[in-house]
Amino acid sequence: SQQGEEDPQALSIQEGENATMNCSYKTSINNLQWYRQNSGRGLVHLILIRSNEREKHSGRLRVTLDTSKKSSSLLITASRAADTASYFCATGGSSNTGKLIFGQGTTLQVKP
Amino acid sequence: GAVVSQHPSWVICKSGTSVKIECRSLDFQATTMFWYRQFPKQSLMLMATSNEGSKATYEQGVEKDKFLINHASLTLSTLTVTSAHPEDSSFYICSAHPTRIGYEQYFGPGTRLTVT
Repeated sequence: SQQGEEDPQALSIQEGENATMNCSYKTSINNLQWYRQNSGRGLVHLILIRSNEREKHSGRLRVTLDTSKKSSSLLITASRAADTASYFCATGGSSNTGKLIFGQGTTLQVKP
Repeated sequence: GAVVSQHPSWVICKSGTSVKIECRSLDFQATTMFWYRQFPKQSLMLMATSNEGSKATYEQGVEKDKFLINHASLTLSTLTVTSAHPEDSSFYICSAHPTRIGYEQYFGPGTRLTVT
């Protein structure tokens, strides 16, 4: 079953602008991860944030986690055309089985 | 490091036949592997958890007799779609969870299955 809702479902921006995607989930989590998927390809792991963390950075990526609201956001700064892809959040449960439940995803288009 | 391969990358088969998809962790051992299905423009749906040396755990609504999973070694899991039908056409993706403690999962490139 799907865990999370993501919004927006689709986002179109100009190169150089920032892109923000949000993810909400329903159950207790151990960690939350963000992945990117180019059309018809596998997933690329972007960043993992643990449930006791509130913010994490990696290059042009910034992820926040609010466990009280059961939500997370992914910010991509200074976007590039190559950032065009679908972005998914995935939650890992407290049992640490490794099982991930994916959100619906946000399709990002960055126009050159 | 942490590369996961899938074979084949795409396959076309006739309705009623069976298709086997392999998922290999190339440079690490994975006690657990996961199989997902993704329909066009949709998210990944977890189908089952594959554990080395034991039976797979299937998610609700996934037919275990139709989607046979075998995890014979720490680097190989296979998914066999039996008696395939056109509605089984989808993108199948596996991921591998390293044996060491941690949260990382590494995803394969996916297999596109088309059933005619």
